[in-house]
Amino acid sequence: DSGVTQTPKHLITATGQRVTLRCSPRSGDLSVYWYQQSLDQGLQFLIQYYNGEERAKGNILERFSAQQFPDLHSELNLSSLELGDSALYFCASSVEPGRPSSGNTIYFGEGSWLTVV
Amino acid sequence: AQKVTQAQTEISVVEKEDVTLDCVYETRDTTYYLFWYKQPPSGELVFLIRRNSFDEQNEISGRYSWNFQKSTSSFNFTITASQVVDSAVYFCALSERTGRRALTFGSGTRLQVQP
Repeated sequence: DSGVTQTPKHLITATGQRVTLRCSPRSGDLSVYWYQQSLDQGLQFLIQYYNGEERAKGNILERFSAQQFPDLHSELNLSSLELGDSALYFCASSVEPGRPSSGNTIYFGEGSWLTVV
Repeated sequence: AQKVTQAQTEISVVEKEDVTLDCVYETRDTTYYLFWYKQPPSGELVFLIRRNSFDEQNEISGRYSWNFQKSTSSFNFTITASQVVDSAVYFCALSERTGRRALTFGSGTRLQVQP
């Protein structure tokens, strides 16, 4: 158990719909990352938040958005869903980016399987 | 830009064989971190090891060992006496200290250990 909690574990929804994925980071971790894993794209970094602020953006679509709340949990919102959005979405957390002492070890949750039909 | 290459798409071995998974990386940063993760059939990503770029000492943990060679930009992972439970997809990943700190993953190597 990594300590990173993601809900829901599985989700099936129709095209055009909107879903929200939720993540609770490990206790004490300030950084939250979202990744998408699909068969054709592999593991892609979407976005990172640190202590409530957006820190870095990866290959995140405009239809997707995220935020990190004061209690440090994070939500990833996916809207106008398309068939190609079907993937495993991972949340990950780390203590603090950039410090050599932290080593930037990033722990992953079990993922949320999204199927768009 | 950073890049991680895992040239082996799939490897199949028989139980008790040793197997090495290759990882080659590219980065412009002088300080960076390398990782290996395991993804079993259940889907979760399990952290195995982190290596700092300024520490080239190889590491052994039970049946697992890692060989970090900065001169060849490689961070290879060896499983000794493989077991069926080692069957999984293994990902190598890179994180820069001053650049983008999020992980960049390789495409993964699927390891199948046959009984």
